[in-house]
Amino acid sequence: QLQLQESGPGLVKPSETLSLTCTVSGGSISSSSYYWGWIRQPPGKGLEWIGSIYYSGSTYYNPSLKSRVTISVDTSKNQFSLKLSSVTAADTAVYYCARLDLVATIDYWGQGTLVTVSS
Amino acid sequence: QSALTQPASVSGSPGQSITISCTGTSSDVGGYNYVSWYQQHPGKAPKLMIYDVSNRPSGVSNRFSGSKSGNTASLTISGLQAEDEADYYCSSYTSSLVFGGGTKLTVL
Repeated sequence: QLQLQESGPGLVKPSETLSLTCTVSGGSISSSSYYWGWIRQPPGKGLEWIGSIYYSGSTYYNPSLKSRVTISVDTSKNQFSLKLSSVTAADTAVYYCARLDLVATIDYWGQGTLVTVSS
Repeated sequence: QSALTQPASVSGSPGQSITISCTGTSSDVGGYNYVSWYQQHPGKAPKLMIYDVSNRPSGVSNRFSGSKSGNTASLTISGLQAEDEADYYCSSYTSSLVFGGGTKLTVL
């Protein structure tokens, strides 16, 4: 059974960079049939796609966040990571990592991790 | 890319049927048969309920069904049960991914 687990700091200061890692177990991140992505959900609000990465390193970002987002993959560790720079309180959210098929259907989600931006 | 439009809330009594709409444009919902629906209970990660407009993943009740007409997709839940009370989100492939704003389903 595929499992995804987010890890990283739960508290980030304004203007700093948010960094999260997703560890994939029970399957290979190098599968040619899937993308790996990040989705966030501010408290009490809806889902927002942040971006996705293919095992080869090809990336796709939400245009509204593109200038601040970097997603990378480490196939040797079966992990992929998110960096979001210059964070503000508006970036406070539960961040989910997920597996997406080639037409963006999300079939596996991590449990989510709350990241709070505050000084 | 703009979020897809969903009603903020819908409600129904046990045993009844409800339908949640998801309206986009010809660049997303109308342009691809790749609409998905997710169910999210409080404090939990979303769960895939429908993919490719009308397909159910293994293990999802056949009380859940999906359809699409033009730029609007719909999720229908028949035989409402208390456990169906949750938030529901649609999404569409657009060469990237866009979500709807979410709909809170209340089972009266």
